[in-house]
Amino acid sequence: DIQMTQSPSTLSASVGDRVTITCRASQSISSWLAWYQQKPGKAPKLLIYKASSLESGVPSRFSGSGSGTEFTLTISSLQPDDFASYYCQQYNSYSQTFGQGTKVEIK
Amino acid sequence: EVQLVESGGGLVKPGGSLRLACAASGFTFSSYSMNWVRQAPGKGLEWVSSISSTSSYIYYADSVRGRFTISRDNAKNSLYLQMNSLRAEDTAVYYCEWLQPQGSIYWGQGTLVTVSS
Repeated sequence: DIQMTQSPSTLSASVGDRVTITCRASQSISSWLAWYQQKPGKAPKLLIYKASSLESGVPSRFSGSGSGTEFTLTISSLQPDDFASYYCQQYNSYSQTFGQGTKVEIK
Repeated sequence: EVQLVESGGGLVKPGGSLRLACAASGFTFSSYSMNWVRQAPGKGLEWVSSISSTSSYIYYADSVRGRFTISRDNAKNSLYLQMNSLRAEDTAVYYCEWLQPQGSIYWGQGTLVTVSS
């Protein structure tokens, strides 16, 4: 199975900060990577698919990059609504796998 | 508009059974593979099972193989997950998921399964 290593596990930041979260795959997944935002008690919300495609309705401050085994999610200017948990997901193989998650906290 | 609506969750005793359903609409259900993903309380996300469009190919996570059975009814645009021999560690919100060929991903709102005596 493809392992996804996401870092950091927790991130403390302030409103207006530029934030970067990284995901590393144990083998190449081409661009089959998604990023989600999740708030307590809610289903994950898709932000980015195919590594860099912005889901409709998602603010442009969110962006994704990478291919192969290294991927990043960047929030260009953190907003109050962005304090949440974030997950990466590889869907290159039928046994899709997820990163362990990153909790973005208020500094 | 794509919609995935799960149902069938609830409280069940260890060793018991439960059948989840997912009603799909807004796309040609019979043409695509479908998946179940779960999330235990306070934990991360875990892929559970996948089924191809004609049910020819079925895959399970090691944690559920031999206890869970995925199936679908293309005439009813529905996906199912039969869960037997349930354990406390199966307690989770279960999501129905569709991976669109163009790369986008759709999830349902989830249904909570609680395994407890």
